This record gives sequence, structure tokens and C-alpha cells, in this order.
Amino acid sequence: KAGVTQTPRYLIKTRGQQVTLSCSPISGHRSVSWYQQTPGQGLQFLFEYFSETQRNKGNFPGRFSGRQFSNSRSEMNVSTLELGDSALYLCASSPTGPYSYEQYFGPGTRLTVT
Amino acid sequence: QKEVEQNSGPLSVPEGAIASLNCTYSDRGSQSFFWYRQYSGKSPELIMFIYSNGDKEDGRFTAQLNKASQYVSLLIRDSQPSDSATYLCAVSADDKIIFGKGTRLHILP
Repeated sequence: KAGVTQTPRYLIKTRGQQVTLSCSPISGHRSVSWYQQTPGQGLQFLFEYFSETQRNKGNFPGRFSGRQFSNSRSEMNVSTLELGDSALYLCASSPTGPYSYEQYFGPGTRLTVT
Repeated sequence: QKEVEQNSGPLSVPEGAIASLNCTYSDRGSQSFFWYRQYSGKSPELIMFIYSNGDKEDGRFTAQLNKASQYVSLLIRDSQPSDSATYLCAVSADDKIIFGKGTRLHILP
């Protein structure tokens, strides 16, 4: 089975711009979670989608949003980028959900905001 | 704010010895516990999960869970240089997964 894929792998944006990241889960997995990883804060949960519905959300501002399509692919959008949004954004998929089952991570998208 | 605490390290262990990684968590209702390994520049990889009190062994890895003490640990036997990585403890809480900031493990050849 192919693993979780994320595109693009690297991205450089300017403050104030917006960005969209994409994640394709493992075939058959219906849950997709997004995380932000920074050296200072570690891995922080953004949100989880299951069957096109947002099931859980972390403590991030409304500038961070996402969606999931009928084929389980997911996108994450960050509007009005700030310097502090520079991070590694990881997507993880699981068959039923992250809290009851193991998650498989994609390679991540490295976002740099200048 | 529910938390997962880990010593950041680095933890230096001689090759062939046992590496012991520890994690405490704040939510008594947590039911699922995971250990991920993350090599520098790579994404986390699940290596162990445990749901019940006690020990769970998988090859050179043993996860230990003590819910009364809110403590989970990972033992790595016969440590190899390839085990050098950051180990993330993750705990379920309120239908989310909360990650610790990780312990850097360095195996000395």
C-alpha cells in the first residue's frame, strides 16, 4: 500500500499571503489529522477530518482551516500568513481515528514565511 | 490544559545497553498511549502502542503503562546506533492525540 503523501514538500511564502497544503491518506483510511511541528512547541494538533466532517479541532486561530473530500484527500489552508506560521505541517491518516488507533504520518510540508 | 511531559534529553546510552524513556500525562481519562520515533528531518513513525496496564513487548521494544501513576515508558534493549532519534510519547485525551515534545536519544558506539 502506498503511504501518506503530502504536497508540496517545501513552500516559501510572504507574510499576509495564504497557502493551501494537500494530503492524500493511505487507501482505505477515512481519518486525516493535521499537525504543526515547531522546535519550540513540538507537535501540535490542528484538526481531524473523518468522512468529510471536521471531528476535532485544536487551539489554533481561525486562519487555519481545512476540508476533506469524498475520496478522503484533505487540504489545509492558512490565510494571512504570519512569521510564526513557519513550521513543518504533518498530515496523518488512520482507519477510524487518531485516539483509538495508530496514525501514519506523511513526509510533511515545510512552510517558511518571510 | 492537558499535557504530556517528557525529558528533552539528550539521553546518551552506550551501544548494547538498555535505553529507558519516560513520559507522564495529566489526563486520568486517557485510554490510548503511543510511542513514535522521529529521525532528524523525517516524519514520526509509530513504533509501539499500548492500551492496558502492564508491559507490551515487540522485538527489542517494551512499552510499560501505569495508569494509576499516569506514567508510560519505553525500553529499548540492545540499543543500536540506528536507534538514535527523538522519541515522542503521545496520549489520547478528549478525542485528540496530545504529543510530548520528545526525548532525544543518542546511542554511543
